[in-house]
Amino acid sequence: EDQVTQSPEALRLQEGESSSLNCSYTVSGLRGLFWYRQDPGKGPEFLFTLYSAGEEKEKERLKATLTKKESFLHITAPKPEDSATYLCAVQETDSWGKLQFGAGTQVVVTP
Amino acid sequence: DGGITQSPKYLFRKEGQNVTLSCEQNLNHDAMYWYRQDPGQGLRLIYYSQIVNDFQKGDIAEGYSVSREKKESFPLTVTSAQKNPTAFYLCASSIEEGAYEQYFGPGTRLTVT
Repeated sequence: EDQVTQSPEALRLQEGESSSLNCSYTVSGLRGLFWYRQDPGKGPEFLFTLYSAGEEKEKERLKATLTKKESFLHITAPKPEDSATYLCAVQETDSWGKLQFGAGTQVVVTP
Repeated sequence: DGGITQSPKYLFRKEGQNVTLSCEQNLNHDAMYWYRQDPGQGLRLIYYSQIVNDFQKGDIAEGYSVSREKKESFPLTVTSAQKNPTAFYLCASSIEEGAYEQYFGPGTRLTVT
């Protein structure tokens, strides 16, 4: 049973066309939700940590939000360099640091 | 620069051979992790270590072994008992166990034929 589901699997955007990625999760208690960016053949790069519903964090064209059952990663006016796979991971309250990862959303931004 | 290094970047082995993947960090982090990434799947935890000389199995530990003799180093051995070893292996570390972000190395792509 998947605890973390990301949608869509893939997203193709025109430069400047804003969109949102979804990460839904089913855990008994959330300790933290993490967003990463991964370029092909490289390790994931940390973006954000969210801890409680209502929390928001921003970095350049990216904004992450959190509700009790899902998180959104909003990409505003994307540029080609925003092309990457975006990974979501959750940590449960009774875990010891273990992250449960979703399969990711592959984003391609064309000029 | 602080960070995590993994070597080699690409590794090729024949079936039946054990192989060791290197992971070193100079972030002074206590916790270290090994993940495996396969196409279309999320990262899966193999082993983790919260402190020197201590480590625990993750979700898919069968066919793998680790050691943590130094704070900076957490090598992973893929043994011949691992049935599907071809994958992208990622090492990560965090300041300590808990709701702290994990920082990843560049990965090692292992191909076993």
